[in-house]
Amino acid sequence: DAKTTQPNSMESNEEEPVHLPCNHSTISGTDYIHWYRQLPSQGPEYVIHGLTSNVNNRMASLAIAEDRKSSTLILHRATLRDAAVYYCILRDEYTGTASKLTFGTGTRLQVTL
Amino acid sequence: EAQVTQNPRYLITVTGKKLTVTCSQNMNHEYMSWYRQDPGLGLRQIYYSMNVEVTDKGDVPEGYKVSRKEKRNFPLILESPSPNQTSLYFCASSIRRQGNYEQYFGPGTRLTVT
Repeated sequence: DAKTTQPNSMESNEEEPVHLPCNHSTISGTDYIHWYRQLPSQGPEYVIHGLTSNVNNRMASLAIAEDRKSSTLILHRATLRDAAVYYCILRDEYTGTASKLTFGTGTRLQVTL
Repeated sequence: EAQVTQNPRYLITVTGKKLTVTCSQNMNHEYMSWYRQDPGLGLRQIYYSMNVEVTDKGDVPEGYKVSRKEKRNFPLILESPSPNQTSLYFCASSIRRQGNYEQYFGPGTRLTVT
């Protein structure tokens, strides 16, 4: 699976939008972009995934650049409960093992009052 | 409630004493995995299973065994634990949705081997 690059940490104020960037310049045409997050003392939690088009769900939005070399996870109104490590992961549709995700070091998001 | 459960959540043991960490999911998922998480190394896959009686090695399988006799259960076995297996362990199950796989993780088992 291709590599991703994320900032080590970011800060946000509560109730403000947060944009978490991810660069994946070597992405292939069959790589899906996944986002997971890990809250303190918990297992990773699925957030969202997409291939080419922007995606929205109840947790977040995923904006994918037209050339797919970068993406942004958008939390529309950050809360203290969103403080976590956020992982951007690429997974090949055809060669990736269904059970495997390769986690990097992610972005640690701090949310303050 | 749909979930992945692991037991025990915390375990302290001594070198060489066999142990098993259980994992169970109630979502009827075919795919299950074990990961370990260590500071600075992220999560690394130990073993995975694509269905009952089908298991395969992940990135760091040495010192571990697994079995998948039932769809819902995927225990992790350490036949002779060593201190370098001190880690935080996560079990996960996967489902295919919207063209790709979503993984659901358990709460983790913190293992210390002295």
